[in-house]
Amino acid sequence: AQSVTQLGSHVSVSEGALFLLRCNYSSSVPPYLFWYVQYPNQGLQLLLKYTSAATLVKGINGFEAEFKKSETSFHLTKPSAHMSDAAEYFCAVRDSGNTGKLIFGQGTTLQVKP
Amino acid sequence: NAGVTQTPKFQVLKTGQSMTLQCAQDMNHNSMYWYRQDPGMGLRLIYYSASEGTTDKGEVPNGYNVSRLNKREFSLRLESAAPSQTSVYFCASGRAGSNTGELFFGEGSRLTVL
Repeated sequence: AQSVTQLGSHVSVSEGALFLLRCNYSSSVPPYLFWYVQYPNQGLQLLLKYTSAATLVKGINGFEAEFKKSETSFHLTKPSAHMSDAAEYFCAVRDSGNTGKLIFGQGTTLQVKP
Repeated sequence: NAGVTQTPKFQVLKTGQSMTLQCAQDMNHNSMYWYRQDPGMGLRLIYYSASEGTTDKGEVPNGYNVSRLNKREFSLRLESAAPSQTSVYFCASGRAGSNTGELFFGEGSRLTVL
């Protein structure tokens, strides 16, 4: 069965600094992986996705993630944090089969300090 | 572009009361999902409908029922609300058979059960 683990429920970073949010997955089939962002009191917005093409995936607003099969990881990075990046971030893996279900990690809250 | 629309956005119930959360999507997606979000637990799947006319249990179905009214609409019903059902509920839609597989989310319905 597929699963996702996000290490670190809270991450704090200074404005302008690089940050990395960790995601490790378990999957019995080649995975489809996703990163979503949730701003306060809003729904989830897709940042980027890995669907077995390039292992380095570029998303919106300067976000990137690298798929590493040997490490079963899909960590999210951004070279320079903005105050507007303060949000909760979720990593997800698509369930096997044809149901389209996504299985989510526990989430990581990013705090950006001025 | 409306995308996924949920109603109501906020609701306060007393223990034992019933209510229905409504969800509609205008993207012609065949699959729809109901998740609940609780602090530190990410999003957990309650029920889903992989196609019109079918519904299936997710990870946390107890205390809920669903109806796939037509291709656009998927409702979630709480027959006898309990304080443990205090949560934020998200409806999502997607193309279950697609190779990309991302889900599109509504803005959430915040439910408090007293």
